[in-house]
Amino acid sequence: QKEVEQNSGPLSVPEGAIASLNCTYSDRGSQSFFWYRQYSGKSPELIMFIYSNGDKEDGRFTAQLNKASQYVSLLIRDSQPSDSATYLCAVDNSGYALNFGKGTSLLVTP
Amino acid sequence: GAGVSQTPSNKVTEKGKYVELRCDPISGHTALYWYRQSLGQGPEFLIYFQGTGAADDSGLPNDRFFAVRPEGSVSTLKIQRTERGDSAVYLCASSPRDRGGDTQYFGPGTRLTVL
Repeated sequence: QKEVEQNSGPLSVPEGAIASLNCTYSDRGSQSFFWYRQYSGKSPELIMFIYSNGDKEDGRFTAQLNKASQYVSLLIRDSQPSDSATYLCAVDNSGYALNFGKGTSLLVTP
Repeated sequence: GAGVSQTPSNKVTEKGKYVELRCDPISGHTALYWYRQSLGQGPEFLIYFQGTGAADDSGLPNDRFFAVRPEGSVSTLKIQRTERGDSAVYLCASSPRDRGGDTQYFGPGTRLTVL
């Protein structure tokens, strides 16, 4: 069973702070990693993807990948109340099907 | 351009009935995926189409579930003899290439409730 693990939260951070969301995966052969944001009652929306070890930055978001430790994270700088949502980590084990974690609920308080 | 669309947005049915859920992918996307999301869980893979053929249907829970994509565009997920445990949000996604590893874009989902 290929697992993707996330802390369900909720993770609460004050407005303007850095939110750090973490994900571990069990399949060492995984090649592609995705972060989706999901607002309550809505469908997942892609935030970032990362394929290579290291950091990838896009605006206020930074994805970090460490394949040796089987760990991927998402940092959100200058967190805003509108960032409050569930963040889903997804791992591409097969070349097509995404294997999702259960998601981490983030609450940014004004 | 238009995103992935799904109809209906909500479907309420009675146990034992047959339902069809429709997905219209982003124009030009050759790969199409169905997922199911239960409350408090991440989406769970059901089936993957490359063009018209189901390349991987290993995620379908049992033989009551079936999906088609006859012309390589619109797909229909069909559920026979629905059970209360089938209640969930059914999500469709599409991506621009036949081979995976690229980005999947999700539709708004169909919320299925089996009474």
